[in-house]
Amino acid sequence: GAVVSQHPSRVICKSGTSVKIECRSLDFQATTMFWYRQFPKKSLMLMATSNEGSKATYEQGVEKDKFLINHASLTLSTLTVTSAHPEDSSFYICSASAGLAGHSYNEQFFGPGTRLTVL
Amino acid sequence: LAKTTQPISMDSYEGQEVNITCSHNNIATNDYITWYQQFPSQGPRFIIQGYKTKVTNEVASLFIPADRKSSTLSLPRVSLSDTAVYYCLGDNQGGKLIFGQGTELSVKP
Repeated sequence: GAVVSQHPSRVICKSGTSVKIECRSLDFQATTMFWYRQFPKKSLMLMATSNEGSKATYEQGVEKDKFLINHASLTLSTLTVTSAHPEDSSFYICSASAGLAGHSYNEQFFGPGTRLTVL
Repeated sequence: LAKTTQPISMDSYEGQEVNITCSHNNIATNDYITWYQQFPSQGPRFIIQGYKTKVTNEVASLFIPADRKSSTLSLPRVSLSDTAVYYCLGDNQGGKLIFGQGTELSVKP
């Protein structure tokens, strides 16, 4: 199956610094990727839709200047948490969809997630 | 996108069949019903997807009645490793997925 990777898997940073998280589709091209965040014991919350070569579409309540998304190629999207604060500590997950041969639907593949801790 | 409702938690024992039902009264005509599994500190993993009637793959079956207002994920003979959170979603294949609360399944020895 298709593989999506994230880097780093976990990061600890000081308050006020910026953190970049990478999401890569390893064996397929994804024109669209998605970013979610998940708090402990809670469900995934969609933050934004990342489209290759264009601006990301943010969900209501998500600050686009706080969470910068760049989708520079068909295999890479990045999420930068700017001026991170302790309340930004969370589990960030990306996903990518692809219409793969042999599938009758566009399955969405998720990355393993990135644990961000802001001190 | 359809709002889904699932039981918050379920308990089972190894070897039993587990059925998790999801309500989606407002499912759109072009929405598929997709189920994902998530282990702690991991991304969700696709389990199965269907439109109506019954779909079966190597890990699960999905039953969708004709009115499509609900669906049931069936896991045959669960093991301890099936302990996870299971999410039911309406999926219009436009990519955007909205996750509900999910069902936390606990499988005991």
